[in-house]
Amino acid sequence: GAGVSQSPRYKVAKRGQDVALRCDPISGHVSLFWYQQALGQGPEFLTYFQNEAQLDKSGLPSDRFFAERPEGSVSTLKIQRTQQEDSAVYLCASSSRTFAEQYFGPGTRLTVT
Amino acid sequence: TQLLEQSPQFLSIQEGENLTVYCNSSSVFSSLQWYRQEPGEGPVLLVTVVTGGEVKKLKRLTFQFGDARKDSSLHITAAQPGDTGLYLCAPRTTNAGKSTFGDGTTLTVKP
Repeated sequence: GAGVSQSPRYKVAKRGQDVALRCDPISGHVSLFWYQQALGQGPEFLTYFQNEAQLDKSGLPSDRFFAERPEGSVSTLKIQRTQQEDSAVYLCASSSRTFAEQYFGPGTRLTVT
Repeated sequence: TQLLEQSPQFLSIQEGENLTVYCNSSSVFSSLQWYRQEPGEGPVLLVTVVTGGEVKKLKRLTFQFGDARKDSSLHITAAQPGDTGLYLCAPRTTNAGKSTFGDGTTLTVKP
């Protein structure tokens, strides 16, 4: 079956613009995670959904970051008023249940100029 | 915040050589996962180790979890160019679903 897909794969935004990153998890997967990966570093946790409920958003770096999963499937990570330090790869992962293996998408590379 | 150290940060070797990379912390982990990430892709899970002292083998890859569950190693025998990638460890200290990743070891295997 299809894996986790993310769109767009690449996004260039001017500082101050809003962006929306989409994640399509594996069908039927209950849990969905967002991570941020800066160049040369490992992924850092941003937020976690179980179905449509956002159970943990402790990793969101500021109130400019917002994530939603309204129907418990597709998720969107929105960044308002982008800053240069937001430049990174944003990874989405899904799993069939909370502690099961996470399957990652290819990521969206965001560059803020 | 737990301190997680992966070493070496970069490793470049010739095809056929053996290598070991390490994941160390002062914290005790309930379990630990190793991932490989290729450029332009997301991490892919290689193995999960749970028991202190556990050794798992995946073809030419051998994973070991320390007795005290604070550290782990990944040994690759007769490395091949296809092993090239970023190797990440991701321990879990609680029963949370999220993963906490180290900064990884970037491995380059030259033909």
